[in-house]
Amino acid sequence: SQKIEQNSEALNIQEGKTATLTCNYTNYSPAYLQWYRQDPGRGPVFLLLIRENEKEKRKERLKVTFDTTLKQSLFHITASQPADSATYLCALDPVEDAGGTSYGKLTFGQGTILTVHP
Amino acid sequence: DTGVSQDPRHKITKRGQNVTFRCDPISEHNRLYWYRQTLGQGPEFLTYFQNEAQLEKSRLLSDRFSAERPKGSFSTLEIQRTEQGDSAMYLCASTPRSSLLGETQYFGPGTRLLVL
Repeated sequence: SQKIEQNSEALNIQEGKTATLTCNYTNYSPAYLQWYRQDPGRGPVFLLLIRENEKEKRKERLKVTFDTTLKQSLFHITASQPADSATYLCALDPVEDAGGTSYGKLTFGQGTILTVHP
Repeated sequence: DTGVSQDPRHKITKRGQNVTFRCDPISEHNRLYWYRQTLGQGPEFLTYFQNEAQLEKSRLLSDRFSAERPKGSFSTLEIQRTEQGDSAMYLCASTPRSSLLGETQYFGPGTRLLVL
C-alpha cells in the first residue's frame, strides 16, 4: 500500500542552525511533492513544490530536494529562527493518467513538529 | 481576495446530532477539496469538486457524510448522526485551475468538531 513517512515527530534545534526534515514514500509515483507549514489551530500554508524532474528548489531560506530513486525529499531551513517553529507537512499527488493529469488529491505525511530555540 | 474561509471555526455537538460546515473558496477557483485531520496526523483527503460536480469520494467518507457545491461556489459538508470518532479538524482547500499538474492548494482555517 502507499505510504508516506516523515522522519520524526519532533525536531528541536538552536536558532541560527539549519533544520533538515525528511519525507520518505513507498509505492508511489508522485508527479510532484509539496511542503506545507501548519501552525496550531490553523490550516496548512503552502511553502514549496518540486516536480519529479527537478532535483532542487529554493525559496529564500528554504530548500527542497527530491530524489525519485531514493523515494525521498529533504526540506531544509537555513539560519533558522524561533518564528520558524511549526509543524511541517510533506504531501504527494501521483499522476493519475497517461496524459499526466493530476487531480490534487494530496496524501500528507504525519508532519514534523519543528521547535527552534532562541 | 480574502482567502478560503470556513464556518464555523469550532463546533461542539452531542453524539447523534447532525452538523453542517461551510467553506467559501477563493473566488473563481474551480476545484474545492475537503480533508479531515486528527491530532498528530496530516490531513486526509475526503472528497473534491470541480465546479459543481463532485468527482471523487474517499472510502473515509461514510454514508453519513455528504458534501455539496451548488453553483460551483461555496461548499457544505454535512455529517449525520455524528459519532465520537468524527471529532477532528475539517479542512477545506481550493485551487485555481483544473487538470494542471502541480497546483498549490490554498487551505482555510478549518472547522474543529468535537463530538461528546
